[in-house]
Amino acid sequence: AQSVTQLDSQVPVFEEAPVELRCNYSSSVSVYLFWYVQYPNQGLQLLLKYLSGSTLVESINGFEAEFNKSQTSFHLRKPSVHISDTAEYFCAVSDKVGGSQGNLIFGKGTKLSVKP
Amino acid sequence: KAGVTQTPRYLIKTRGQQVTLSCSPISGHRSVSWYQQTPGQGLQFLFEYFSETQRNKGNFPGRFSGRQFSNSRSEMNVSTLELGDSALYLCASSLSPRAQYNEQFFGPGTRLTVL
Repeated sequence: AQSVTQLDSQVPVFEEAPVELRCNYSSSVSVYLFWYVQYPNQGLQLLLKYLSGSTLVESINGFEAEFNKSQTSFHLRKPSVHISDTAEYFCAVSDKVGGSQGNLIFGKGTKLSVKP
Repeated sequence: KAGVTQTPRYLIKTRGQQVTLSCSPISGHRSVSWYQQTPGQGLQFLFEYFSETQRNKGNFPGRFSGRQFSNSRSEMNVSTLELGDSALYLCASSLSPRAQYNEQFFGPGTRLTVL
């Protein structure tokens, strides 16, 4: 069965500093990969996704993630964070099952805290 | 287009009681999935419904059940509540599980506290 490991449960950084949130998944033939963000008292919002093609995917608010098949990783990065990026970030994976997407398997989450 | 709505947003129950949570998917979406989020276990998949039929089920005891109506609205029920059932229950809707890629849109969740 698929599993997702987010290596850091909490990441404190100063505003305008770069950040990397790490995510590794267990090996599989082919997968879809996602990063979701959860602000306090809200549901999950899709931040970015990797389905196929270019291994570097970007979001509209400056985050990017790179799919690395050999290392089974999908780390999330941002070159300069803002206070408003403070939230919990979840990495998720789903298998391609019979040509369609399987269930989402989530990591335990990383709480990003941006300090002024 | 309205997003996924979940009612109630907050709920307090006592051990042994039962509870029903409701989820209304985005208009046109026919698939609804439920997840339980706790600090210790994180986000865990409960079950998925499509066309009023349960397609997949996670590893939860039979006290957790659900159903989907013809208008795609879904309910989940937890009977004989235990303290460990305290969690945020998230509902996600999507167009169809048969698509090659089926993006899920999450509601704000129902915060259940069991005393």
